[in-house]
Amino acid sequence: AQTVTQSQPEMSVQEAETVTLSCTYDTSESDYYLFWYKQPPSRQMILVIRQEAYKQQNATENRFSVNFQKAAKSFSLKISDSQLGDAAMYFCAYRRNNNNDMRFGAGTRLTVKP
Amino acid sequence: DAGITQSPRHKVTETGTPVTLRCHQTENHRYMYWYRQDPEHGLRLIHYSYGVKDTDKGEVSDGYSVSRSKTEDFLLTLESATSSQTSVYFCAISKGLAGQETQYFGPGTRLLVL
Repeated sequence: AQTVTQSQPEMSVQEAETVTLSCTYDTSESDYYLFWYKQPPSRQMILVIRQEAYKQQNATENRFSVNFQKAAKSFSLKISDSQLGDAAMYFCAYRRNNNNDMRFGAGTRLTVKP
Repeated sequence: DAGITQSPRHKVTETGTPVTLRCHQTENHRYMYWYRQDPEHGLRLIHYSYGVKDTDKGEVSDGYSVSRSKTEDFLLTLESATSSQTSVYFCAISKGLAGQETQYFGPGTRLLVL
């Protein structure tokens, strides 16, 4: 079974600074997808960024970027120029290609200090 | 916004009573999912559906059943609720090219079983 580990239960960052959230996963597959979701206090799950394992280039979405290290099975999320609205739970998730069972990590709670 | 609504949004019930949660989508997506969210585990897949009357089990399906009689509705039933089923339940749909889908989530239902 694939597992996803987020080793940082809580992180904090100063407004306008950069923070990196860690995620590692365990799989024997070579074709899969990785995701970061954000869950603000409203509880809505919001897709932040997605990475295809077959792509070597790291995905970016505005202030959000990932560091995808396939050999190390690591998928960290970098948030640049942190804003107060970035405060939320962040979940890392893994899904094997052509499979519907998406696996989530336990989450990292990010606090942004003004 | 993936056009997903969940009802009810909050429910309190007693142990041993049946409970049905409804997920409704407006965009005619083929795949629908039910997850539960718990603090130590992140989100875990309960059941999913790949079409009308086509469903399959996820990681934590014991104690839950599902039905999909129409494309737009996916029902999750707890036949006899237990306190261990106190959780936040999320419905999701898949969007994107076959095999490359991304999941988008509804607003969640908070269920308390006393």
